[in-house]
Amino acid sequence: SAVISQKPSRDICQRGTSLTIQCQVDSQVTMMFWYRQQPGQSLTLIATANQGSEATYESGFVIDKFPISRPNLTFSTLTVSNMSPEDSSIYLCSVEWPDRLSYNEQFFGPGTRLTVL
Amino acid sequence: RKEVEQDPGPFNVPEGATVAFNCTYSNSASQSFFWYRQDCRKEPKLLMSVYSSGNEDGRFTAQLNRASQYISLLIRDSKLSDSATYLCVLMGDSWGKLQFGAGTQVVVTP
Repeated sequence: SAVISQKPSRDICQRGTSLTIQCQVDSQVTMMFWYRQQPGQSLTLIATANQGSEATYESGFVIDKFPISRPNLTFSTLTVSNMSPEDSSIYLCSVEWPDRLSYNEQFFGPGTRLTVL
Repeated sequence: RKEVEQDPGPFNVPEGATVAFNCTYSNSASQSFFWYRQDCRKEPKLLMSVYSSGNEDGRFTAQLNRASQYISLLIRDSKLSDSATYLCVLMGDSWGKLQFGAGTQVVVTP
């Protein structure tokens, strides 16, 4: 499987500020995804980050709030903009491992634990 | 109705015993099915994909029942290290989009 790292691993931020989370993969992958896991809940897909095109956002998530970059096949960023305490969550990136296309297996980064005061 | 439903548990299991639990899904067009495990404050880790014919990986057995729209996970000879939350995950009709259940908590006790 791919080795995935995220920065920062955790942060505490003031409301109204923005935080950019980085996701780095040790291999080139076509599809990268950003998820959110709010306290006590399961994962919810925010958007699909595709290299060379704009991210595709899920219902309830918009580009102005969660801008995403995907400059190459090994890197992506997610920005949480104009944060409020409701944005306190774990943010995870995942990749679809290219050798397992037939089963669409995804592997997750370690997550970024965000607390907004 | 939720798209992916799981019994939240917890399932308290004596070490060495067998535990099994199901997950039901509502989208009959779902294409791929997985079990992930998530330890406290960690990211989900892929446990196994679920094949149409059912599959086994060591002490873990997964089954898929498309007619009744559920998948199951059975853990034999439970170890203390099996304590975790098990997430039922499926990919529907949108490529790459995974849908997660809320998880089933398993607690293996000595």
